[in-house]
Amino acid sequence: ELKVEQNPLFLSMQEGKNYTIYCNYSTTSDRLYWYRQDPGKSLESLFVLLSNGAVKQEGRLMASLDTKARLSTLHITAAVHDLSATYFCAGGFTDKLIFGTGTRLQVFP
Amino acid sequence: EAGVTQSPTHLIKTRGQQATLRCSPISGHTSVYWYQQALGLGLQFLLWYDEGEERNRGNFPPRFSGRQFPNYSSELNVNALELEDSALYLCASSLMVVVIGFEQYFGPGTRLTVT
Repeated sequence: ELKVEQNPLFLSMQEGKNYTIYCNYSTTSDRLYWYRQDPGKSLESLFVLLSNGAVKQEGRLMASLDTKARLSTLHITAAVHDLSATYFCAGGFTDKLIFGTGTRLQVFP
Repeated sequence: EAGVTQSPTHLIKTRGQQATLRCSPISGHTSVYWYQQALGLGLQFLLWYDEGEERNRGNFPPRFSGRQFPNYSSELNVNALELEDSALYLCASSLMVVVIGFEQYFGPGTRLTVT
């Protein structure tokens, strides 16, 4: 069964810095998703990556997918405080999503 | 366009009681998924309904059950509540279209507390 691992679990970064969150998955997954969750809130969809080499960008966030390495990355450029949240990657098929453990991102001045 | 809605927002029950959680999908979406987000356990898949049928089930005991109505809304029932059922229950809906990757859109969740 598909397993999804994220690292780091916790990331404290200074405003203006760059960093990358990694998402490894164990077996073939149809697609890879990235979600954001603010404390006590639901999941907000950020990216859907459908094929090898897919790269998507929205503002300071860029996600990529390497299906051969079974790796997706979420790159944060010039972090700002508003990006503080927990980020989840998820792999899966039509019938369900398997989520990673989440990366709690805290951006400080 | 209205998003996925869930009710109630919060639910407090006593151990042994039953809880009913409700979800209305985005208009036009035929699939509804339920997930449990318990402290320390992450997000776990519970159930998938599509076109009124249960299509898949996660690794949860039978006291977790549900159904999907003709209007595609869904209900999750948890019987014989246990303390460890305390969690945020998230509902998601999806349009079964390949080109958009079956993306799931999540509702605000129902916070269930079992005392």
